[in-house]
Parts: sequence; C-alpha cells; structure tokens
Amino acid sequence: GQNIDQPTEMTATEGAIVQINCTYQTSGFNGLFWYQQHAGEAPTFLSYNVLDGLEEKGRFSSFLSRSKGYSYLLLKELQMKDSASYLCAVGDSNYQLIWGAGTKLIIKP
Amino acid sequence: ETGVTQTPRHLVMGMTNKKSLKCEQHLGHNAMYWYKQSAKKPLELMFVYNFKEQTENNSVPSRFSPECPNSSHLFLHLHTLQPEDSALYLCASSRTSELTDTQYFGPGTRLTVL
Repeated sequence: GQNIDQPTEMTATEGAIVQINCTYQTSGFNGLFWYQQHAGEAPTFLSYNVLDGLEEKGRFSSFLSRSKGYSYLLLKELQMKDSASYLCAVGDSNYQLIWGAGTKLIIKP
Repeated sequence: ETGVTQTPRHLVMGMTNKKSLKCEQHLGHNAMYWYKQSAKKPLELMFVYNFKEQTENNSVPSRFSPECPNSSHLFLHLHTLQPEDSALYLCASSRTSELTDTQYFGPGTRLTVL
C-alpha cells in the first residue's frame, strides 16, 4: 500500500528553528509537495521537490532524498503566524497526489 | 483573497436532506477537484475534472454527485448522507490536471450530518 508518515504534532518556540519530517512509500515518485494550512483556512502551496537536495525559499526550506523516501520542511526564525498544519504530499506512478495526515505545528512565545 | 471560493462555509443537514456545495474559481484554470478532509486523516481525493470532463472518481459513494457545468464552477450534490460523511470538503483548481501544476484550494465547507 501507499503511505505518507509525518508527526501528528510538534511544538517550537518563537524565533527558533523547527524541522518537520515526512517519509513516504509510494508506487513510483513524481515529486513531493509541502502545503501550509492555517486552522479553518485553505491549504496553500509552499514547495515542490522532484530532485534530491535542498530548496530554499526565504525562511522555509525543503529537502528531498529519493533513495531514502524522505523529505523535511525546515522553518527558520519562527513566527507566531507559522502556527499551522503542514501537509506533505507525494505524486505516485499514476500521477496522483498521495497526502499525509499533516503535522500540527504549535509556536509558543 | 483566494481565487477559489466555496459556499456555504458551514452546512448542517439531516440524513434525508438534499443539499449542494458550490465552488467557483477566478484563476482561469482548467482542472478542478473535490477533496474530503477528516480530522487527523489525510486529504482524500474524491473527483477530478479536466476541461469539464470527469477524469477521476476515487470509489466515491453515489450519494455524492459532482457536476461541472464549465471550467469555473464545480458542484457537489449531496443526498442521503451518513454521519461519517461529516468532514471539511475542499475544492481546488489548477491550470491543468498535470501533477506539476500547483493546486489552489478554497476555504472549504464544514459539513455536519446529523
């Protein structure tokens, strides 16, 4: 079966750095996506990785290792507004997105 | 301001009711999607429309009936639902149904079935 694993919940402190991990087992691989979803709001696109390595976009970076079936989202200089759920999704061999259940990130002052 | 709107934002219905969810996108996209999001569970893709043609139906029960009259509008008709259908229903759109085209989501309809 196909599976995306991410921690259910994480807590971090304002100004700190947090890493949210995502591991996947899918039939094929056609890219990995990270989305942010604030409570009661729409998910919004953060990043897309298809090749191994680190993609940096401001305070957010996303890393991919296809051989390990592993990705992480790195958030630096955390702000209170970063409190949200972070969704990992992988494109499988049928070019369908397989979604993780999301990681709820709580930022404390 | 999101380019994808959904109405209503909240809906409470009985198991014998018939209701419809509406989604509209103002982004000029050609693909539209319905997802179900239940608490602590992954997003479940329900239906995909590409250029008004349904291209995916992920074994969704017939009590959910989609309609796509044009590339900007998508409906989800609901009838004789079950309490376990209570969830957040999200609509999304993308330029095409290609995986690399970013999906833009609406804020969702929070559905409660009594």
